[in-house]
Amino acid sequence: KQEVTQIPAALSVPEGENLVLNCSFTDSAIYNLQWFRQDPGKGLTSLLLIQSSQREQTSGRLNASLDKSSGRSTLYIAASQPGDSATYLCAVKQGGSEKLVFGKGTKLTVNP
Amino acid sequence: NAGVTQTPKFQVLKTGQSMTLQCAQDMNHNSMYWYRQDPGMGLRLIYYSASEGTTDKGEVPNGYNVSRLNKREFSLRLESAAPSQTSVYFCASSNPGQGSAKNIQYFGAGTRLSVL
Repeated sequence: KQEVTQIPAALSVPEGENLVLNCSFTDSAIYNLQWFRQDPGKGLTSLLLIQSSQREQTSGRLNASLDKSSGRSTLYIAASQPGDSATYLCAVKQGGSEKLVFGKGTKLTVNP
Repeated sequence: NAGVTQTPKFQVLKTGQSMTLQCAQDMNHNSMYWYRQDPGMGLRLIYYSASEGTTDKGEVPNGYNVSRLNKREFSLRLESAAPSQTSVYFCASSNPGQGSAKNIQYFGAGTRLSVL
């Protein structure tokens, strides 16, 4: 059974700092991996999707990497801003399945 | 372009009452999903529908039923609500296929349900 773990559960940083969020998964036979952002009381917004054949994806200040063989992904946020404060979730999709398996998220606080 | 729309946004039920959560998407997506989100448990898949006319169980289907009314709409029904079903419910949709633009799941804003 696929399990997704995100460490740390919470992170607090000063504005302007570069930071890395971690995601690990137990079964490397994934189809893709997505990073989502969730603001308090809101739904999830997809940030980046990495196909299993890709190593990384970039969008603005965000860069996500994928190492399937080691079962790890990282989300790099450059020059963090208070508006980046949210919970970040990663989710993996297995090949041949419609299902996403989510981690429990990392709650990020960026202090002005 | 509304994306994924869920109704209602909030609901309070008494134990044993029934209700239906509604979800509609306007992106012409084939696949739709229902999740629940609980503190410390993360998001868990309740049911999904890979295409109009098909539904399949997810991780936590007990106590729920679903209907894929048409390509746009996917409803979740609680026949006899229990306090354990107090949660935030999210509907999502996607268009599985080749390319990174597909496979992205788009989420609604959620329904916050309390069962007393």
